[in-house]
Amino acid sequence: AQKVTQAQTEISVVEKEDVTLDCVYETRDTTYYLFWYKQPPSGELVFLIRRNSFDEQNEISGRYSWNFQKSTSSFNFTITASQVVDSAVYFCALSEAKDSSYKLIFGSGTRLLVRP
Amino acid sequence: DADVTQTPRNRITKTGKRIMLECSQTKGHDRMYWYRQDPGLGLRLIYYSFDVKDINKGEISDGYSVSRQAQAKFSLSLESAIPNQTALYFCATRKTGEETQYFGPGTRLLVL
Repeated sequence: AQKVTQAQTEISVVEKEDVTLDCVYETRDTTYYLFWYKQPPSGELVFLIRRNSFDEQNEISGRYSWNFQKSTSSFNFTITASQVVDSAVYFCALSEAKDSSYKLIFGSGTRLLVRP
Repeated sequence: DADVTQTPRNRITKTGKRIMLECSQTKGHDRMYWYRQDPGLGLRLIYYSFDVKDINKGEISDGYSVSRQAQAKFSLSLESAIPNQTALYFCATRKTGEETQYFGPGTRLLVL
């Protein structure tokens, strides 16, 4: 069965520290998509990145980077030099190509608190 | 202007009342979704629609109904609200052929 696990419920760091948010997924599909969304205190969901199962290249966008490893079924998210504005709940999600709905299966989220 | 809008943003209602949450989008996407988020949990799918007149149940559709009035509008109804439907509700859109879903700002619903 498909599943997304974010084992870290809450992480607290001091500004300028690097932080990694873990995401482990389960799927039997050979074609799937992985996502990260950010939910700031205001509540909206902001799309950060999508990764296809056939593309294991890591990605960097400014202070954000993502490490996708199919061998360990992980899609981890690192924030370098964290800032207070990074404080939010971060969700990892999965969708499977065999599921015609392409619904998103979410992890339970990791709350990140960046202290000044 | 936001591409995906939801109204109302906040709503308090009483048990047994009928309530409708509305979603509109200007992204031109054909697929629309309704999810609910409970505290400490990720989002779960309630209903989805691939186009006007196409309605499909998600994993937690009991107690809800939807209407796709136009490609740009997708409404979620609670026919008789109950307290355990208190949650944050999100609408999302997606374009066929693309995998990313884009979310509206959410509606906070409190059922007393």
